[in-house]
Amino acid sequence: AQKVTQAQTEISVVEKEDVTLDCVYETRDTTYYLFWYKQPPSGELVFLIRRNSFDEQNEISGRYSWNFQKSTSSFNFTITASQVVDSAVYFCALRVDAGNNRKLIWGLGTSLAVNP
Amino acid sequence: GAVVSQHPSRVICKSGTSVKIECRSLDFQATTMFWYRQFPKQSLMLMATSNEGSKATYEQGVEKDKFLINHASLTLSTLTVTSAHPEDSSFYICSAGTDLRTEAFFGQGTRLTVV
Repeated sequence: AQKVTQAQTEISVVEKEDVTLDCVYETRDTTYYLFWYKQPPSGELVFLIRRNSFDEQNEISGRYSWNFQKSTSSFNFTITASQVVDSAVYFCALRVDAGNNRKLIWGLGTSLAVNP
Repeated sequence: GAVVSQHPSRVICKSGTSVKIECRSLDFQATTMFWYRQFPKQSLMLMATSNEGSKATYEQGVEKDKFLINHASLTLSTLTVTSAHPEDSSFYICSAGTDLRTEAFFGQGTRLTVV
């Protein structure tokens, strides 16, 4: 069975702090994809990153970085020097290929509040 | 980048009426579209997957006759909530994808309130 666990329901930090959002996944597939999305209060989902199971290189994009560890089935997301605009709900997701369809398995999300 | 437009962004309707939500891929052909429902402070719940020209595949527990999905072209899918009830009030989000990319493009969402 496939599953995505985001153990942190809510996180509150003060601006400029670093914050890491955890994501642990379960799958028996050897080929899979992992994603992070941001959902600000407006509701629109913003795609942040896609990582395939064969690429364990960490990724950095500006203040965002991702740490993919297959050994622990984790794909954690770190925001460095957080800003108020980073306040949002962040979802981690796993993609499975079910026949002709490709479905995303979603975590429950982590609500991040960055306070001034 | 690719854009998915969802319309309307907000709708209020009376109980018993039907509401249609449109999802359009503006600059690419979407072979697959997904419809999600999201309750307040909860994750996305996949309702159905539709491939252009074929019937939608509904997730377990989703009523086909209540949530009608049509994917008549490669750029348009519609979700019709029939005989809406207050419990259908929710945030509905569509996602459109191609054979290679099925996860990156989401609509802005539609907040449905049934009164």
